[in-house]
Amino acid sequence: DAGVTQSPTHLIKTRGQHVTLRCSPISGHKSVSWYQQVLGQGPQFIFQYYEKEERGRGNFPDRFSARQFPNYSSELNVNALLLGDSALYLCASSFRPQTGLTDTQYFGPGTRLTVL
Amino acid sequence: AQSVTQLDSHVSVSEGTPVLLRCNYSSSYSPSLFWYVQHPNKGLQLLLKYTSAATLVKGINGFEAEFKKSETSFHLTKPSAHMSDAAEYFCVVSVSTRGSNYKLTFGKGTLLTVNP
Repeated sequence: DAGVTQSPTHLIKTRGQHVTLRCSPISGHKSVSWYQQVLGQGPQFIFQYYEKEERGRGNFPDRFSARQFPNYSSELNVNALLLGDSALYLCASSFRPQTGLTDTQYFGPGTRLTVL
Repeated sequence: AQSVTQLDSHVSVSEGTPVLLRCNYSSSYSPSLFWYVQHPNKGLQLLLKYTSAATLVKGINGFEAEFKKSETSFHLTKPSAHMSDAAEYFCVVSVSTRGSNYKLTFGKGTLLTVNP
């Protein structure tokens, strides 16, 4: 079975530009979460979506937005890119929103974004 | 607020010797705890998870972790290190975002080096 897939794998943008990252969850999974991992740090939570609705949001500016489609795939959008947005962006899927007890989040390989 | 602290940023062991990666957590209630591993330029892979069923949790690749409430610890161990274990390891706690929804909060990571 295919795992979580993300595209593109690498991306180079310049400051002020806009970027869209894409994620396809594991078949049957209905929840998608996005994380930002800056070099040398642990991933930080950005968004969680379930059934096309936002279920959680981390401490990120409004330049970051996301959406989930009827097929449960998801897009992460970042506007007005800053140098500090350079990071590995990870997508994770689970069958339902993390309930803290049983559900496991499965991660994709990530998209490496470099902002020049 | 729930959080995890990984006590060592870098651990170096010889192949065939035991591995100990230390993690302390902070939580006002019984948490769900996880260990994830990240190999270079790869996504995150779940090693094991604690969800209150048993305090000693066995994971993949010979890893295990013991939940100790009195010490608020969730250390990761392996009896004998293999070269392929060299990677970054993250201790993770599940944290409520909204209602019954949760997000993953990661520690800063421990880089494990295995010497031949």
